[in-house]
Amino acid sequence: NAGVTQTPKFQVLKTGQSMTLQCAQDMNHNSMYWYRQDPGMGLRLIYYSASEGTTDKGEVPNGYNVSRLNKREFSLRLESAAPSQTSVYFCASSEWDNSPLHFGNGTRLTVT
Amino acid sequence: GENVEQHPSTLSVQEGDSAVIKCTYSDSASNYFPWYKQELGKRPQLIIDIRSNVGEKKDQRIAVTLNKTAKHFSLHITETQPEDSAVYFCAASGNTGNQFYFGTGTSLTVIP
Repeated sequence: NAGVTQTPKFQVLKTGQSMTLQCAQDMNHNSMYWYRQDPGMGLRLIYYSASEGTTDKGEVPNGYNVSRLNKREFSLRLESAAPSQTSVYFCASSEWDNSPLHFGNGTRLTVT
Repeated sequence: GENVEQHPSTLSVQEGDSAVIKCTYSDSASNYFPWYKQELGKRPQLIIDIRSNVGEKKDQRIAVTLNKTAKHFSLHITETQPEDSAVYFCAASGNTGNQFYFGTGTSLTVIP
């Protein structure tokens, strides 16, 4: 039981490049989330998926897209990376509404 | 959307003393309030949570109190130990129960 697995752990991009962050959970959770963490700003919600087949914008969705591929997997795509997207990205899942978030180990992304 | 404010941003205590971290939230529809601990370079991990039908919850040295009328909740750590040193985040579940909004974090240092 690995919990929430994110790949890659580290990534360096040049401005304008694209990439996809992968996330998978093996806990049969219904909801999945993408957060970014910046110094002094806590965790900010980018997108979430309340259930398979649905996705919704969070606080800071601009510049990102997501895909809920199936119940297990939820990917985050940066189409044209910008230096402002330099951050640590966390994927999380929860069993249902109002239940604890389980986080992955994070992806440290640097955009130069 | 929900707005969560957290204070203080940094807190230093002597080992054995108590630490208190306070959060306020804006959306009266939020009814689930988790607290996460994040050690340097690690993922956030749930330490305690409380639901809106409960005023207080304890787990060994950790307790959380909730005042729904005033829209604030607090984390209390008693008999602090050096291993309690970390960043602590509060969160509120938002009006759908799956749009978790986080405070900006409190960096707790326990001085031996």
